[in-house]
Amino acid sequence: NAGVTQTPKFQVLKTGQSMTLQCAQDMNHNSMYWYRQDPGMGLRLIYYSASEGTTDKGEVPNGYNVSRLNKREFSLRLESAAPSQTSVYFCASRLQGTSGRSKNIQYFGAGTRLSVL
Amino acid sequence: GESVGLHLPTLSVQEGDNSIINCAYSNSASDYFIWYKQESGKGPQFIIDIRSNMDKRQGQRVTVLLNKTVKHLSLQIAATQPGDSAVYFCAEKRGSNYKLTFGKGTLLTVNP
Repeated sequence: NAGVTQTPKFQVLKTGQSMTLQCAQDMNHNSMYWYRQDPGMGLRLIYYSASEGTTDKGEVPNGYNVSRLNKREFSLRLESAAPSQTSVYFCASRLQGTSGRSKNIQYFGAGTRLSVL
Repeated sequence: GESVGLHLPTLSVQEGDNSIINCAYSNSASDYFIWYKQESGKGPQFIIDIRSNMDKRQGQRVTVLLNKTVKHLSLQIAATQPGDSAVYFCAEKRGSNYKLTFGKGTLLTVNP
């Protein structure tokens, strides 16, 4: 049981290049999230998908697009990378639709460290 | 201490001591709170959570206290170990859309 898997682990881009960060979860979770983490900052929500087929903007969506490919996979795309997008990106998933407190816990991947030069 | 610019609040303790990490939240409508631990180079890991209808919840070596009057949350770690060294984040949930809003974190360093 791998949990939440993110690829790649590291990436260096030049300004203007595009790339897609991949995320997959094997826990049969309904909701998935993309965050960025900058030095000295907490996690900021970029986009989320409450369920398969739906996506919504978070706190910092500008410069990003997402695709909920299926229940397992949620990708984050940078169409034209900028130095301000240098960050560590985390994907998370959550089991929705159950009673009890466990439905609120988000489980995180190990992160993708992205540098844009 | 307080965070200034990019610097996280830090807490340094001796191995075996108890640690208390504090968190202030802003929204009185928040109904759920959660603590995460993040070790260097890793993703956040769930520690413990609490609903707003509770004041205290205990886990293994950890206790979360919630004071809704002053909108304050704390994480207590008993008998702190070197493996507890990490950044600790609190997060709150507001409403029914299941999004979490994270604080900036506190760096805990445990000295052997």
